[in-house]
Amino acid sequence: DTAVSQTPKYLVTQMGNDKSIKCEQNLGHDTMYWYKQDSKKFLKIMFSYNNKELIINETVPNRFSPKSPDKAHLNLHINSLELGDSAVYFCASRDGGLGEQYFGPGTRLTVT
Amino acid sequence: QQQVKQSPQSLIVQKGGIPIINCAYENTAFDYFPWYQQFPGKGPALLIAIRPDVSEKKEGRFTISFNKSAKQFSLHIMDSQPGDSATYFCAGSGSSNTGKLIFGQGTTLQVKP
Repeated sequence: DTAVSQTPKYLVTQMGNDKSIKCEQNLGHDTMYWYKQDSKKFLKIMFSYNNKELIINETVPNRFSPKSPDKAHLNLHINSLELGDSAVYFCASRDGGLGEQYFGPGTRLTVT
Repeated sequence: QQQVKQSPQSLIVQKGGIPIINCAYENTAFDYFPWYQQFPGKGPALLIAIRPDVSEKKEGRFTISFNKSAKQFSLHIMDSQPGDSATYFCAGSGSSNTGKLIFGQGTTLQVKP
């Protein structure tokens, strides 16, 4: 069983479109995250939810909107996609405290 | 103050060598320092982590050395193998509430057979 899963694996779309990435974890964790990994492999936190409550909201364009329907799911919706949004987006989850974060396989977003 | 600086950017060693990756942090509130390993096309996975109350932690062939006064820590891979070829990220965290990780820039390691 996959602990943290993301769909889709690849997403190719044109500038100006709106797209969503879905994430699900079956680990029973309370906290979930979205990270962006750019072309230089730099990993940066974007958002985090704990039990459906937003707890981290980094300096991210408001075109990005996370939504957590329940503690096992965290989705990322991106409006008006731009070329600079092209990256790999990772979802992760954590049980609590300063514990291990479990990452999903990533979604490679390409904006043309 | 949130940065974690990692070096080198890339590293090539022969099988059996001991690659060393270094990280420096600025935020003195950091109290958790994990290392993540990432293979191409995969998500990062926790390799080993340390808290600042110890100066060294060893798990198998992987060792973290920690120097609190210098605000530096490093990863040593003993008897490196071609299967260790991956990108390695150090990170720091000071918030047990959010678990927010600040990652270093990453080091791409190639271990030649």
